[in-house]
Amino acid sequence: KAGVTQTPRYLIKTRGQQVTLSCSPISGHRSVSWYQQTPGQGLQFLFEYFSETQRNKGNFPGRFSGRQFSNSRSEMNVSTLELGDSALYLCASSLGRVSYNEQFFGPGTRLTVL
Amino acid sequence: AQKITQTQPGMFVQEKEAVTLDCTYDTSDPSYGLFWYKQPSSGEMIFLIYQGSYDQQNATEGRYSLNFQKARKSANLVISASQLGDSAMYFCAMREEGSSGGYQKVTFGTGTKLQVIP
Repeated sequence: KAGVTQTPRYLIKTRGQQVTLSCSPISGHRSVSWYQQTPGQGLQFLFEYFSETQRNKGNFPGRFSGRQFSNSRSEMNVSTLELGDSALYLCASSLGRVSYNEQFFGPGTRLTVL
Repeated sequence: AQKITQTQPGMFVQEKEAVTLDCTYDTSDPSYGLFWYKQPSSGEMIFLIYQGSYDQQNATEGRYSLNFQKARKSANLVISASQLGDSAMYFCAMREEGSSGGYQKVTFGTGTKLQVIP
């Protein structure tokens, strides 16, 4: 069974631009979560989608948005990029919504904002 | 208050020795899951082990075991017979069931960097 895939793996953008990251979950997984990881802030939760609906949202500005499609694939968008948005963005999928559903992570997208 | 606390920013262990990575958590939800993940320098998070709040026995997965002490709200990861490939960041995480059948996001600790010495 294929794992979680994320595209692109690396991205370089300049301030003010926008970016879209894509995540394809493991087949059959309906929950997709996004995290931002930086050396200073650690792993921070962005949002979680289940059945095309956002179920939870972290404390990030409105420049960060996401969506989930009917095939469970998810995208996140960051508009008006800032230098502080440079980070590893991790996507994780899980089978469902209950407490015992472990998350499986993709390799991440490393975003550099210049 | 922090929901997941990992007090050891970094640890060293001799190859073939056992090591314990600490994790304490805070929740009032009776139903929750605890997870440990490994993140090598490559960046990918690898699921290691899961412990449910209602599980009577400590979880084990190969060389990994979880020392679950519910009353103390601790979920320490024990790695037996450390290998060089175990050098990585280790994250403890919790997912609460939430009320009314809902669920909460997964909360991660700040991680412990483990270095295995030959």
